[in-house]
Amino acid sequence: DIVLTQSPGTLSLSPGETATVSCRASQSISGGYVAWYNQRPGQSPRLLIYGASRRAIGIPDRFSGSGSETDFTLTISRLEPEDFAVYYCQQYDISVTFGGGTKVEIK
Amino acid sequence: QVQLQESGPGLVKPSDTLSLTCNVSDTSITYYHWGWIRQAPGKGLEWIAYFHHGGVTKFNPSLKSRVTISLDTSRSQFSVRLSSLTAADTAVYYCVRLSGSSTWTHPFFDYWGQGVLVTVSS
Repeated sequence: DIVLTQSPGTLSLSPGETATVSCRASQSISGGYVAWYNQRPGQSPRLLIYGASRRAIGIPDRFSGSGSETDFTLTISRLEPEDFAVYYCQQYDISVTFGGGTKVEIK
Repeated sequence: QVQLQESGPGLVKPSDTLSLTCNVSDTSITYYHWGWIRQAPGKGLEWIAYFHHGGVTKFNPSLKSRVTISLDTSRSQFSVRLSSLTAADTAVYYCVRLSGSSTWTHPFFDYWGQGVLVTVSS
């Protein structure tokens, strides 16, 4: 299985700042088959990014994804109150695995 | 708006079999592929299985021996059964839709149900 390691575990930021979440894979992921989700407390995960950098329908452009092979990044610019949540990466190149999550909390 | 709604018991006993159903509305159940994902309390996400509407299913190898999937197109719903339950199966169970942008071999998930908390306890 491809293991995904997210860092940091927790990110403490203020509204308006930029969040950068890293997702590192244990082996190279081909085709950019990485998705990102966020999950607010008590809610279901929501698809943000797929194909490493493509925004899902309805996702604002302050969310952006980048990366290739083993290193992928989710960047959230100009943090809004509703962006404080847990973020998960997922690889779908070989089977399916999720990262352990990164909590973006209000500083 | 696509809606997925899970239903099932909130409490089940160890060694019993869990049965959950997902009701799908405002989308064609025969056009997309579907799946189940779970999340233990305070933990991350774990996929259980996903299946092609034509009947092919892919299982998480760690759960494969205990999981059964079924699809009822006439009712626009699909189900999962998980046998030989232990406390480690306590989790929120989500039904999901594989994104139309994904392929069968490269699935990601664009719609999620609200989830149902299942507690395994005697």
